[in-house]
Amino acid sequence: DTGVSQDPRHKITKRGQNVTFRCDPISEHNRLYWYRQTLGQGPEFLTYFQNEAQLEKSRLLSDRFSAERPKGSFSTLEIQRTEQGDSAMYLCASSLTANSPLHFGNGTRLTVT
Amino acid sequence: AQKVTQAQTEISVVEKEDVTLDCVYETRDTTYYLFWYKQPPSGELVFLIRRNSFDEQNEISGRYSWNFQKSTSSFNFTITASQVVDSAVYFCASETNNAGNMLTFGGGTRLMVKP
Repeated sequence: DTGVSQDPRHKITKRGQNVTFRCDPISEHNRLYWYRQTLGQGPEFLTYFQNEAQLEKSRLLSDRFSAERPKGSFSTLEIQRTEQGDSAMYLCASSLTANSPLHFGNGTRLTVT
Repeated sequence: AQKVTQAQTEISVVEKEDVTLDCVYETRDTTYYLFWYKQPPSGELVFLIRRNSFDEQNEISGRYSWNFQKSTSSFNFTITASQVVDSAVYFCASETNNAGNMLTFGGGTRLMVKP
């Protein structure tokens, strides 16, 4: 079990730039989730995939955010025209089924200057 | 809509003390799930427990125990004989039935265990 892997661990970008994060879930897990965690707060759900299908998106996911999971394996989360309010830890998680526990990665910490 | 409240933002104890982390939830659903996760300094959230709303039995796992009380909408977590390695942020979370791991998290409780 190699766990959920996220890349990069840290990203510093200037306001207005685009950024893309990658998540590699545990290999046999069909479900992949993105959460966002701001400092001192609990994680907030953003979106999830069942295989390659994106089945749910939170209202937190503005139109500047897009997520993909093209072959039902790894996923990318892109933020366009970043704003300072986007600064947060972006957490990826996967689960075998809807009722299996979530396995989280270490997250990508985004800082928008 | 669901809401999870962890009123204790920070707790500090001395090693070997028992400590209870409080969690109060709000939901209109009759079927739901409750969770606890641990987030050590490394940042990775670690699953601890999942309970469904129909199972009010308390659970014990080693030094960890959980008390689920539907009457007070609480799902409290107790660590017995705390150790320095228990230092972390602990999150309580809820999920409605069929939400499939779309969790609502509380704000977390930072536990510091001093030697």
